[in-house]
Amino acid sequence: EADIYQTPRYLVIGTGKKITLECSQTMGHDKMYWYQQDPGMELHLIHYSYGVNSTEKGDLSSESTVSRIRTEHFPLTLESARPSHTSQYLCASSEQGRDTDTQYFGPGTRLTVL
Amino acid sequence: AQSVTQLDSQVPVFEEAPVELRCNYSSSVSVYLFWYVQYPNQGLQLLLKYLSGSTLVKSINGFEAEFNKSQTSFHLRKPSVHISDTAEYFCAVNEKGGSYIPTFGRGTSLIVHP
Repeated sequence: EADIYQTPRYLVIGTGKKITLECSQTMGHDKMYWYQQDPGMELHLIHYSYGVNSTEKGDLSSESTVSRIRTEHFPLTLESARPSHTSQYLCASSEQGRDTDTQYFGPGTRLTVL
Repeated sequence: AQSVTQLDSQVPVFEEAPVELRCNYSSSVSVYLFWYVQYPNQGLQLLLKYLSGSTLVKSINGFEAEFNKSQTSFHLRKPSVHISDTAEYFCAVNEKGGSYIPTFGRGTSLIVHP
């Protein structure tokens, strides 16, 4: 069983609020990812990290930011939430440098912006 | 660039019937292929993967998938489904020597009826 955690699981907030979605893993993986998941759509990669102090933007344009100060922690921040940010956010991790490797996913955060 | 097409958004089936979930990919180089499963209110978890060698790969819960290079397909099959197999199934592809970040399909919702 994967040891990757996300909090909160569900979040309902008003427009304009700043929020941080937390993601932590205890597997020592160097690579971490944030995906946005909407029903019937592909998972869209919004941010990823190869290790501490490394962050990259993914394929999907996003108004969020991420940080990677510790290996195990990869939080995602929305400075000013909007209804268009309503979605499911999935965090994942994998071992560094191995394209054969499995991605391990957290349970997700379902965000609703009113 | 790699891409994945899951041809069916939803597959309803009766319990104990066989099922096939279709996945086709596009890539100019050799690939690794994955099937992930997502149960309600959970993150994705690896079901099975093809890396090399035997083109038929199996999971511990009775699913199998066959890599067909000529048809660029990686269809998932199970000879007899259970109610507990009801879930969303995602096919993913990763190019060998690429970015290590897989591309996911849109998912197929398998609905098993009693």
